[in-house]
Amino acid sequence: EVQLVESGGVVVQPGGSLRLSCAASGFIFDDYAMHWVRQAPGKGLEWVSLISWDGGHIYYTDSVKGRFTISRDNSKNSLFLQMNNLRPDDTALYYCARDIDLSGSGRFDYWGQGTLVTVSS
Amino acid sequence: EIVLTQSPATLSLSPGERATLSCRASQSVSRFLGWYQQKPGQAPRLLIYDASNRATGIPARFSGSGSGTDFTLTISGLEPEDFAVYYCQQRSNWPQFTFGGGTKVEIK
Repeated sequence: EVQLVESGGVVVQPGGSLRLSCAASGFIFDDYAMHWVRQAPGKGLEWVSLISWDGGHIYYTDSVKGRFTISRDNSKNSLFLQMNNLRPDDTALYYCARDIDLSGSGRFDYWGQGTLVTVSS
Repeated sequence: EIVLTQSPATLSLSPGERATLSCRASQSVSRFLGWYQQKPGQAPRLLIYDASNRATGIPARFSGSGSGTDFTLTISGLEPEDFAVYYCQQRSNWPQFTFGGGTKVEIK
């Protein structure tokens, strides 16, 4: 059974930093690209970042470029999101999601339950 | 950025009725459009990818159609577990993926 379990979400002050993790199991992790997608409270879904199967190709939505860094450790079946210079509008539930293929086609076939990041003073 | 507009915002129907949800793109996305279902407190679930392909394990009552800028998700006979929020998502403007604002299907 495919499982994605996010962790690391907390309350942080504006300008602060945070590292989210996503532990994957039930599939061959390095056969798939992975994404982070977020959802502000009571709002819709927003794609954040994509990393290819080997970490060789990385992409971000414009609003997080230069502040967030996606990475993965295939030896530990883990995905990460380093979030720096956080802003109140980064407040959201952050999901990790698996792509259908290894390069990152933009089809998200499995999702975790999310980890909540709150940016507030 | 490709903007996806979903309508209606809320659809009030009874179990057994047919649901028709619309998604319109601000420019052509060819057939690179998917649909997701999200229930309260749960993660989204992929229903349809590339306009009309059902994802693994998705019941046949869910179907997708359309191309270019206009797309439809149809639920042929609503089951109690189908009352949820539905989002469309484009992958045409790769890798800047975007989602629609959602349609809530509620019990009438």
